[in-house]
Amino acid sequence: AQKVTQAQTEISVVEKEDVTLDCVYETRDTTYYLFWYKQPPSGELVFLIRRNSFDEQNEISGRYSWNFQKSTSSFNFTITASQVVDSAVYFCALSDVLQGGSEKLVFGKGTKLTVNP
Amino acid sequence: EPEVTQTPSHQVTQMGQEVILRCVPISNHLYFYWYRQILGQKVEFLVSFYNNEISEKSEIFDDQFSVERPDGSNFTLKIRSTKLEDSAMYFCASSEAPSYEQYFGPGTRLTVT
Repeated sequence: AQKVTQAQTEISVVEKEDVTLDCVYETRDTTYYLFWYKQPPSGELVFLIRRNSFDEQNEISGRYSWNFQKSTSSFNFTITASQVVDSAVYFCALSDVLQGGSEKLVFGKGTKLTVNP
Repeated sequence: EPEVTQTPSHQVTQMGQEVILRCVPISNHLYFYWYRQILGQKVEFLVSFYNNEISEKSEIFDDQFSVERPDGSNFTLKIRSTKLEDSAMYFCASSEAPSYEQYFGPGTRLTVT
C-alpha cells in the first residue's frame, strides 16, 4: 500500500533561516507522482509542485526547491530565506492509481512550520 | 485564474440530520474528488468521480455518503444521517486528467452537534 511519512511534526525557525521539510514515501508502482501542498492558517490546500517518478531533476521555484531522490524514496522540500508568510502546514502526497484510471492522493501527516520574526 | 469553489464554508448540523456539501470544480476538469480532514489530522481520500460515476471510494465512504453531479457544474457530497465523528473539513478537488495536479477548494467545515 502507498504510504507517505513526514517525520517532522513541527518545525520552528527564525525569519531568513533556510528550512528543509522531509518526505519519505513507499510504493510498489514504477510510475507515480509526488506532490507538495501548503495549508496556511486559513485552511485551504494550495498546490505547490507535482513531480513524476521518471524525473529526478531537482526543481527550484523562487525561494522553494525540491530534492527528489528515488534511491532513498525521498522528496524533500527546502524553503530558502524563510518568511513569516511561509508559516503553514505542509503536506507531501503520493498518487495512487485507482480502478478506472483516476487517482487519489495519499497524504502524509503534515509538518507544521512556524517562522518567527 | 480558475478555482474550485465550495459552499457553505461552515455548516453546523445536529446528529442524524442530512447535509449536502456543494462544490463547483474547475470548468474543463473531468475528475472530481472529495477528501476530508479531521481537525489536526491528515487529509484522507473519500471518493473519486469520473464520467458521471464513482471510480473509487474509501472505506470511510459508507452507505451514509453519496455523490452526485446534478448538472454540468456542481458536484455534491451528501451525508444522509450525520454522526458526531463526521465533524471535519471536507475538501472538494478536481483535475484535468489522472496524475495531473488536483486543485482543492477552500473546504467546508462541518460541525455535527
